[in-house]
Amino acid sequence: ETGVTQTPRHLVMGMTNKKSLKCEQHLGHNAMYWYKQSAKKPLELMFVYNFKEQTENNSVPSRFSPECPNSSHLFLHLHTLQPEDSALYLCASSQESSPRTDTQYFGPGTRLTVL
Amino acid sequence: GENVEQHPSTLSVQEGDSAVIKCTYSDSASNYFPWYKQELGKGPQLIIDIRSNVGEKKDQRIAVTLNKTAKHFSLHITETQPEDSAVYFCAATPSGSARQLTFGSGTQLTVLP
Repeated sequence: ETGVTQTPRHLVMGMTNKKSLKCEQHLGHNAMYWYKQSAKKPLELMFVYNFKEQTENNSVPSRFSPECPNSSHLFLHLHTLQPEDSALYLCASSQESSPRTDTQYFGPGTRLTVL
Repeated sequence: GENVEQHPSTLSVQEGDSAVIKCTYSDSASNYFPWYKQELGKGPQLIIDIRSNVGEKKDQRIAVTLNKTAKHFSLHITETQPEDSAVYFCAATPSGSARQLTFGSGTQLTVLP
């Protein structure tokens, strides 16, 4: 195990539902990330949090809303999603000790299906 | 921004043979190149990385080479075993932000017993 956990592991939701994905890291890291992994496409960075502050938002639609209450927890709130949002959502964390040494450790992901 | 191309998309080798996966990148200022292995039902796991001040790095059966002039880097796995079967991703950092990893599209490696 990498020390990064994600719940739930699988989620099926309708387009009108509201749900949340949870990520927790037990590594003492200070940066956390959300990625989207779709079939046949590279991992896409969605959001970056550094010391609980959002530092990157890669043009993600507003139907995805991140929340980072502390440096160990990260949420992704979902509402009015589209079927094309179905994907594996991965959380990662790293230690911002140096711009050149922040290896990212990934959780197992949440497989999301939007009906 | 950075663009990373990865080839091949699928690779099958006999157990014991070597496997090579190649990546090219576009941003000459990139200086950190990790490789991740993703098994079914799991998140990507870092297996090796290389920084721009070295040309080659080895860790047992795994090695990575970097050619900054040509802007490409490669993963070499020797004496492949069935448990090496997985999807492998290369990544690179664009200039100015080590956190903004840009990933290749992945290589499905199958090691045939």
